[in-house]
Amino acid sequence: DTAVSQTPKYLVTQMGNDKSIKCEQNLGHDTMYWYKQDSKKFLKIMFSYNNKELIINETVPNRFSPKSPDKAHLNLHINSLELGDSAVYFCASSPRRGPNQPQHFGDGTRLSIL
Amino acid sequence: DQQVKQNSPSLSVQEGRISILNCDYTNSMFDYFLWYKKYPAEGPTFLISISSIKDKNEDGRFTVFLNKSAKHLSLHIVPSQPGDSAVYFCAASVSAFYLPGGGADGLTFGKGTHLIIQP
Repeated sequence: DTAVSQTPKYLVTQMGNDKSIKCEQNLGHDTMYWYKQDSKKFLKIMFSYNNKELIINETVPNRFSPKSPDKAHLNLHINSLELGDSAVYFCASSPRRGPNQPQHFGDGTRLSIL
Repeated sequence: DQQVKQNSPSLSVQEGRISILNCDYTNSMFDYFLWYKKYPAEGPTFLISISSIKDKNEDGRFTVFLNKSAKHLSLHIVPSQPGDSAVYFCAASVSAFYLPGGGADGLTFGKGTHLIIQP
């Protein structure tokens, strides 16, 4: 059983389109995250979501919006896709919010913008 | 600006020997550190962590050392095994950010070191 699953695994689309990436965790965790791994291989936090509280990294454009229908899901919606959005996006979850909470990652979604 | 630096993009070690992966950080507010391991086409997997109140934490073959004055930590793997071949990420966090109104959440990662274990 996959603990944190993301769909799709690959996403190829054109500039200007709107797309969504889904994330589900079956670990019963309270906190979920989205990270972006760019071409330089840095993993950077985009959002964390805990108990209906959304914490946004200030560098994330407002074209990106997370949506959480319930505690087990945190989907990522991206509007008006740009070339610079090409990256691997990782979803993660942890039992609770806190610096000492190990995060469990999905396998990533590779987004390519044509 | 890189707040967490892993200056060795790759490291090659013979099977059975010790692997030492290094990590430096610049933000003195970091007070919790974690190591993650990543195989190709998979997400990172948590390995081991250390709080800034400690200077060593051990879990089986894995030991993490923290030198706060030097803002340096290292991961030791003894003995190294073929399955240890992966990319290792150092990550850091600030406890105060998790307090109400603390601000940015999540981990700050280094760029990773690709460890290759040779038979």
